[in-house]
Amino acid sequence: EAGVTQFPSHSVIEKGQTVTLRCDPISGHDNLYWYRRVMGKEIKFLLHFVKESKQDESGMPNNRFLAERTGGTYSTLKVQPAELEDSGVYFCASSLNRAQETQYFGPGTRLLVL
Amino acid sequence: KQEVTQIPAALSVPEGENLVLNCSFTDSAIYNLQWFRQDPGKGLTSLLLIQSSQREQTSGRLNASLDKSSGRSTLYIAASQPGDSATYLCAVRRGTDKLIFGTGTRLQVFP
Repeated sequence: EAGVTQFPSHSVIEKGQTVTLRCDPISGHDNLYWYRRVMGKEIKFLLHFVKESKQDESGMPNNRFLAERTGGTYSTLKVQPAELEDSGVYFCASSLNRAQETQYFGPGTRLLVL
Repeated sequence: KQEVTQIPAALSVPEGENLVLNCSFTDSAIYNLQWFRQDPGKGLTSLLLIQSSQREQTSGRLNASLDKSSGRSTLYIAASQPGDSATYLCAVRRGTDKLIFGTGTRLQVFP
């Protein structure tokens, strides 16, 4: 069974540009989560999808971030326009059920905004 | 507000030692606690998940305990090996689904 995959693995962009990150969860997992770690800080939650619906987006830093999960399969996270402080590692995770289940993480996308 | 702290921040030990990594959380109302390892440049690998009703979980040389009332969890690694070198993270889940992560313990096991 394939794990959570993320694309790209690395992205280097200039301030003001747009970047779109993609996450493919484990097949059959209705729950999809985005997290990020900025330099020197702990990993922090961004948002949670149940199928195609946003269940909790309390961690989204501002309206420059837009997440979608059309059709309840893969998800994209767009940053537009990117700022220097957006640099970090963006992780995606998925789980089959909600409260009781392990969250399985992807390898992350390393974003560097210059 | 839930805060998760891990002590020590870094640890360097010779191969073969038994280790204890600590995780503390400020709000005891959790659903579960999960331990992960992260290798440099890689994603997170789930090691153990302890439900709030459980006291411990074991997998191979790893044993994780949970004392919810005191807001503590420990990860015990028996007979450490160089391949155990990684950053170890604990994360708690409360009423919502999001995980709240600790700051991590960076472990180095040298031959």
